[in-house]
Amino acid sequence: GQNIDQPTEMTATEGAIVQINCTYQTSGFNGLFWYQQHAGEAPTFLSYNVLDGLEEKGRFSSFLSRSKGYSYLLLKELQMKDSASYLCAVVDSNYQLIWGAGTKLIIKP
Amino acid sequence: DVKVTQSSRYLVKRTGEKVFLECVQDMDHENMFWYRQDPGLGLRLIYFSYDVKMKEKGDIPEGYSVSREKKERFSLILESASTNQTSMYLCASRAGTESNEQFFGPGTRLTVL
Repeated sequence: GQNIDQPTEMTATEGAIVQINCTYQTSGFNGLFWYQQHAGEAPTFLSYNVLDGLEEKGRFSSFLSRSKGYSYLLLKELQMKDSASYLCAVVDSNYQLIWGAGTKLIIKP
Repeated sequence: DVKVTQSSRYLVKRTGEKVFLECVQDMDHENMFWYRQDPGLGLRLIYFSYDVKMKEKGDIPEGYSVSREKKERFSLILESASTNQTSMYLCASRAGTESNEQFFGPGTRLTVL
């Protein structure tokens, strides 16, 4: 079966760095997305990785290792507005998105 | 900017009612999707459509149907609403399979009493 695993909840301090991990087992791989979702709102696109390595975009970076079935999202200089759920999703062989349950990130002052 | 709109943010219906959830996108996207999102679970795909008048079942199609008569509009229908269909419903669109990113609407929180 297809499976995406990510931690249910994480807590971090404002100004700090946090890494949210995602491991996956899917039928085929055509890329991996990270989305951010604030409570009661729609998911919004953060990053897309299809090749191994690190993609940096401002305070956010995303890493992919296809051989390990592993990705992480790195958030630097955390701000209170970063409190949200972070969703990992893999594009499978049918070009459908397989979603993880999301990681709720709580930022404390 | 891509804009995906959904007809209602909040909806309360009674068991047995027929429910229509509408989704409209303004970027001429070919693909459209309906998901439901429940606490502790990832987004689960109900139905999707690759083009006008085309529809494919997702992972949890039971109790739902869809309609895509026009390219910009994708409707989700609950033929006879039940309490276990209380959920957040999210519509998304995508340019095509060559563009994997999906753009989401604001969601409809449906409560079935």
